[in-house]
Amino acid sequence: SQTIHQWPATLVQPVGSPLSLECTVEGTSNPNLYWYRQAAGRGLQLLFYSVGIGQISSEVPQNLSASRPQDRQFILSSKKLLLSDSGFYLCAWSLGASLRQYFGPGTRLTVL
Amino acid sequence: TQLLEQSPQFLSIQEGENLTVYCNSSSVFSSLQWYRQEPGEGPVLLVTVVTGGEVKKLKRLTFQFGDARKDSSLHITAAQPGDTGLYLCAGDRSGANNLFFGTGTRLTVIP
Repeated sequence: SQTIHQWPATLVQPVGSPLSLECTVEGTSNPNLYWYRQAAGRGLQLLFYSVGIGQISSEVPQNLSASRPQDRQFILSSKKLLLSDSGFYLCAWSLGASLRQYFGPGTRLTVL
Repeated sequence: TQLLEQSPQFLSIQEGENLTVYCNSSSVFSSLQWYRQEPGEGPVLLVTVVTGGEVKKLKRLTFQFGDARKDSSLHITAAQPGDTGLYLCAGDRSGANNLFFGTGTRLTVIP
């Protein structure tokens, strides 16, 4: 069966510090991978998606970046965090033409 | 601009009451999905509707896709505290590689 992991689960970082959030998927090959950010109790904002290794599409301009160094690994990064980067970050995967999303447990990021 | 607007944004009801959540857009979708999210967790898929006018039932939950495939509704009968959560609709536009998520409805069912 497929599983998706995210870490860390929670993170508190000072403004201006770097960020690296990792997402890995097990039990499937060549998934589509997604990074979302969610403000408290609200909908999901798509940040990046990837249909293959090294292929990244960015949905919104920001100081975040994403990379996919391996088929089932998706990394969200920043060189310098802003206060506005605080939020709940969710990674998700889907397979083939189906856009049904399977979400990870999320990372709660607080920038102080 | 948000492609999918959900209403109401917040809903607090007593156990046993009925409720309806709406998901509206001016765009046409190939399919529409509904997710429920518990605090501190990722959303989990409840249902996918793909045909205009389609109605799907999942126990006490009834989902309907609009005839023009621009809107959807979720009706819950005899709500229970376990129904509490954030409900998200998400649309699939033809040719897109990603879903468009709605603004969310936070439901609280009071025992």
